[in-house]
Amino acid sequence: GDSVTQMEGPVTLSEEAFLTINCTYTATGYPSLFWYVQYPGEGLQLLLKATKADDKGSNKGFEATYRKETTSFHLEKGSVQVSDSAVYFCALSAGGNTGKLIFGQGTTLQVKP
Amino acid sequence: NAGVMQNPRHLVRRRGQEARLRCSPMKGHSHVYWYRQLPEEGLKFMVYLQKENIIDESGMPKERFSAEFPKEGPSILRIQQVVRGDSAAYFCASSPPTGGTGELFFGEGSRLTVL
Repeated sequence: GDSVTQMEGPVTLSEEAFLTINCTYTATGYPSLFWYVQYPGEGLQLLLKATKADDKGSNKGFEATYRKETTSFHLEKGSVQVSDSAVYFCALSAGGNTGKLIFGQGTTLQVKP
Repeated sequence: NAGVMQNPRHLVRRRGQEARLRCSPMKGHSHVYWYRQLPEEGLKFMVYLQKENIIDESGMPKERFSAEFPKEGPSILRIQQVVRGDSAAYFCASSPPTGGTGELFFGEGSRLTVL
């Protein structure tokens, strides 16, 4: 079945460091891909998305490119801030009922001043 | 606050009791989804409902769990005879009738602890 695999955390970085969180997926068909972020004690918020191959999603300095050839959707940010500390989830929607998302296990990011 | 509202935020139950979790979707949204997040894990889809209809319950455990979204009032996730393994965060999400973008709007979750 469809699945999403993320790099294990926690990831600890200093402020202004470069961030990469790896995400790969397995799916039949052509899924849409998402990154959601969960701040402590809160629900998930959509960070960015891409709906077809080679699309780049971007928001708040974060970017991810839909790579069909490598089945990947890695999250990057050039310069992280303490406020970016959160849990990041990669997810896919296989189409049809797009509310049925398959999530990765999440990657905790800690940014230190 | 026009966001997805869940209550209670925290619920403690003893084994064998019932847990009821409520979710009011965003205004104008008619699609509701329930997800479960076990400790140190990602979210797992449970059920997708529209008003008065269960559209997809493929992620729901076969026993003890049920969900509804009545014509009036919030969506309810009901867990009967809770066990320790039911301890988790339960998230509700909603989306507008047109769907399409795949963006879900999540509530802050209900954290169930079974003693």
